[in-house]
Amino acid sequence: EVQLVESGGGLVRPGGSLRLSCVGSGFTFSNAWMSWVRQAPGKGLEWAGRIKSKPDGGTTDYAAPVKGRFTISRDDSKNTVYLQVNSLKTEDTAVYYCTTGRYFDYWGQGTLVTVSS
Amino acid sequence: QSALTQPASVSGSPGQSIAISCTGTDSDVGGYDYVSWYQHHPGKAPKLMIYDVTNRPSGVSNRFSGSKSGNTASLTISGLQAEDEADYYCSSHTSTNKMVFGGGTKLTVL
Repeated sequence: EVQLVESGGGLVRPGGSLRLSCVGSGFTFSNAWMSWVRQAPGKGLEWAGRIKSKPDGGTTDYAAPVKGRFTISRDDSKNTVYLQVNSLKTEDTAVYYCTTGRYFDYWGQGTLVTVSS
Repeated sequence: QSALTQPASVSGSPGQSIAISCTGTDSDVGGYDYVSWYQHHPGKAPKLMIYDVTNRPSGVSNRFSGSKSGNTASLTISGLQAEDEADYYCSSHTSTNKMVFGGGTKLTVL
């Protein structure tokens, strides 16, 4: 059974930073493209970014609103993908989901990031 | 990259069929057969229902089907059931090698 478990969310002040983690199991993590998708309160899903598998180059792509502030990395030895979020803004308040595959085949339950003073 | 356009809400009675549209541009929906659809019950993890415009993952009911014409993709749900009530989102690959979601559609089963 595929499982994705996010952690690392919390309350942070504007301008602050957090590192979110997502541990995957039940699939070959090293071959998987991993993405982060967020959902602000009362809003729809928004793609934040993606990291390809190392066999596919291991490159990253980011949505315009987060490019330069968010960084996705992976540690295949730990079956973990990370989202480093810097220079946080109030509009970054959202549930952050990690998802796997080119089609977002499986999703975690999400971790809540609240940016507030 | 602007979000794909979906109706805010649709509704139908049990047993009926409904369709949800997802309109983009030549740079996303119209340019690639990489449209997916997700079902999201609030508080739960979203679930992939359709990928590559028309394909259903294993385990997804055949009451769900997808199609595309030009820059508009559609999700059709036939034989509506109470448990289909949820938010539905489309997504597409884009010409800038990114992904974009639709704004979401709330399906109400009357």
